Amino acid sequence: GQQVMQIPQYQHVQEGEDFTTYCNSSTTLSNIQWYKQRPGGHPVFLIQLVKSGEVKKQKRLTFQFGEAKKNSSLHITATQTTDVGTYFCALPPRGSTLGRLYFGRGTQLTVWP
Amino acid sequence: DAGVTQSPTHLIKTRGQQVTLRCSPKSGHDTVSWYQQALGQGPQFIFQYYEEEERQRGNFPDRFSGHQFPNYSSELNVNALLLGDSALYLCASSLGQGAQETQYFGPGTRLLVL
Repeated sequence: GQQVMQIPQYQHVQEGEDFTTYCNSSTTLSNIQWYKQRPGGHPVFLIQLVKSGEVKKQKRLTFQFGEAKKNSSLHITATQTTDVGTYFCALPPRGSTLGRLYFGRGTQLTVWP
Repeated sequence: DAGVTQSPTHLIKTRGQQVTLRCSPKSGHDTVSWYQQALGQGPQFIFQYYEEEERQRGNFPDRFSGHQFPNYSSELNVNALLLGDSALYLCASSLGQGAQETQYFGPGTRLLVL
């Protein structure tokens, strides 16, 4: 199966501080997806990255795909309490174009007001 | 436009029993995937249905089976329940099987096995 490591597992920040989570794979990826899951909720799709070195922004969120397409990051600027939740990266299977996803263990973000 | 719906929302069963979970995909979607999410873990892929057939399967025993109906809705069946089957079961729908397709998750069914 596909191996994906996501760090850190937990992150506690004060409101207004920045936050970054990293996702690393041992193999080159065709694409990577990011999801957010609020406490007690379900994963919600945030974004998909496809191109080497790609950077995409959604308001305070910045997503980056590594040049070698083996790693990715999600950075949140000036966190708010609404950012609380677990952020997952998800990868397609190695060498396959089919739609099953391998999820990382996630980074659980806590934001103190 | 309804999103992905799942029923029931919560379920309590005892060891050895059987359970059926249901999923209706987002309008226009034809592919349904099922995931199991244990507490504190990321979702784990169970299987995917497309054109009423199981197309891909994760590392789950045969106790886990499914079905897709002509209207694209799907069921997940688990036989001979074990305590370790307690988890959040998520259904995700997409348009097509491709890895580039966005998967939309339903609210999930929380299963507790006693």
